[in-house]
Amino acid sequence: AQTVTQSQPEMSVQEAETVTLSCTYDTSENNYYLFWYKQPPSRQMILVIRQEAYKQQNATENRFSVNFQKAAKSFSLKISDSQLGDTAMYFCAFMKHGVLLGGSQGNLIFGKGTKLSVKP
Amino acid sequence: GAGVSQTPSNKVTEKGKYVELRCDPISGHTALYWYRQSLGQGPEFLIYFQGTGAADDSGLPNDRFFAVRPEGSVSTLKIQRTERGDSAVYLCASNPTGTLHEQFFGPGTRLTVL
Repeated sequence: AQTVTQSQPEMSVQEAETVTLSCTYDTSENNYYLFWYKQPPSRQMILVIRQEAYKQQNATENRFSVNFQKAAKSFSLKISDSQLGDTAMYFCAFMKHGVLLGGSQGNLIFGKGTKLSVKP
Repeated sequence: GAGVSQTPSNKVTEKGKYVELRCDPISGHTALYWYRQSLGQGPEFLIYFQGTGAADDSGLPNDRFFAVRPEGSVSTLKIQRTERGDSAVYLCASNPTGTLHEQFFGPGTRLTVL
């Protein structure tokens, strides 16, 4: 079974600074996807960034980037130039690769989350 | 277009009662997922629909939980004989066939069992 571990229950960062959130996972799969989701107090989960395990290049999305270390099973999220609106819970998630009838399949396996506070 | 919607936003019920939680996915999305998020935890998978059929219900905790999606769009999660331990936020997500696996989430229903 796959597991996802986020070892930092809470983090804080000053506005405009950089912060890194940690995530490790355990799997015997070779092909899979990794995600970071943001959950503000409104409860709506929002996809921040996605990484395919077969891609060696780290994904980036504007101020968000990941450090994907497949051998170490590590997938950290770096937020640059932190903004007050980045304050939220951040969840790391894993999904097995699979194609069913040409579409997506499979559930997401989430970590327990990291509560990020951006301070003015 | 409209995102995933869930109703009600909040539901308070008494132990032993029956509840139904509704999910309206994004139009055209064939895959639909239910997750349960307990306080201080990440979401946990309950059930996955591809079209009208439940492709994977391995996350349902027991037979008090059941979900349907009769016409391949709206889904209802049904909980019988609710227990205090069922209190959680129930999240629904959908995604279309053939895309890069992003799941679009609704705002969730917060269920409180007294």
